[in-house]
Parts: sequence; structure tokens; C-alpha cells
Amino acid sequence: DAKTTQPNSMESNEEEPVHLPCNHSTISGTDYIHWYRQLPSQGPEYVIHGLTSNVNNRMASLAIAEDRKSSTLILHRATLRDAAVYYCILRDNGNTDKLIFGTGTRLQVFP
Amino acid sequence: NAGVTQTPKFQVLKTGQSMTLQCAQDMNHEYMSWYRQDPGMGLRLIHYSVGAGITDQGEVPNGYNVSRSTTEDFPLRLLSAAPSQTSVYFCASSAAVGTQYFGPGTRLLVL
Repeated sequence: DAKTTQPNSMESNEEEPVHLPCNHSTISGTDYIHWYRQLPSQGPEYVIHGLTSNVNNRMASLAIAEDRKSSTLILHRATLRDAAVYYCILRDNGNTDKLIFGTGTRLQVFP
Repeated sequence: NAGVTQTPKFQVLKTGQSMTLQCAQDMNHEYMSWYRQDPGMGLRLIHYSVGAGITDQGEVPNGYNVSRSTTEDFPLRLLSAAPSQTSVYFCASSAAVGTQYFGPGTRLLVL
């Protein structure tokens, strides 16, 4: 399974945009880029995923580099409720459903 | 829908005791997985199942057994608990290879 590299922590002020980077230089052509987040004392929850094109949903946007070796999760206006650990995960849409988690990025949001 | 439910929420065991962590989902998902999360770490895959009667090992399967007799249930058995198994355990389910939905977790302390 290909690995991802994320900064250990990031900080933001409330209502500012946040860009969470992820490097995945060994990504294969069939790997999807998934983002999950884990709020304190909860299980992880799905945020967004993409293959090649940038993706938007109600929670966030995902910007994928043209060579697919990096991606950025964008929270357009951070709120205190967005304080969480964000995991960038590569997932082969094959016949299994394994998610291989790294240590993620801990996002702190200040009022 | 209740989603993914886990019982118990918290358990204390003595070294050598056995127990079963329960996981159930009411979304008719084919895929179910068990993860453990140690303090300050990401989640690690223990076992997973792609359907009733089919299970396979993840990254850290030693000391754990699983079975999948129904689509809804995926129990995790600790055969002989050890202090190294102190962790938070998360169960997840998904429809085929899709978004995973996580349960609230079971906190296990082995003395």
C-alpha cells in the first residue's frame, strides 16, 4: 500500500481558510485519495475523495496535483468544530476495503 | 438507521481473560473492518470481512479472532488479553468499496 506524508499539526483562526497538504509520491494509477477526519473521542468520518480531478462537497474541497503526487484538503472557512485529526489515505478501488491510516494532521482552530 | 453500533463502550480486563467486542450495522453493508487506535497514533487494521463467511487479516491480527456469520454482525474476540492490547477499538462498515462508516469505539484497558 502506498504511503502518505502529512504535517503533524497545523493551526488556523476561525473563519479563515485552511489548506491541509498531503504528499503521496508513490501513488499508483488506480489509487484514490481519501480524506477522513477524527473529532476528539469519536470514530473517523469521511470527508472527501478523488482520483484525478479537483472535487468539492459541502464539507471541503480536494485539490489534486497534476502528477497526483500530492493533494490538498481545503476547508474554506474553519470553524471550532473543524478541530480534529485529518487523515489522508490512498485507497486502491480493488476488491478489498482496507484503509491504511497514517498519523494524520492535528488541526487546531482558534477563536 | 442506527448506523454502526459497538458494545461495550468501555471494558476493563485482567491479563489472560478473554472477551468479545460486538459490532453491528443496519445498513446492509458487505464490508466490515476492525481497527485499533493506540494513544497519539492513527488507526491500524486488525481484521476485515468482504461478506458473510469471508474474513481476512489486516496489519495487526495477532491475538484476535473474527467471524462473520451474518451481514449485520462482525464480533472481535480477544483470546487471552495482554496489556499491549489496551487500546480503543473501532468497527467500520461500507457498501462494497465505498465510504466507510465508523462506530463510536470501545475503550479497552487490560491490567
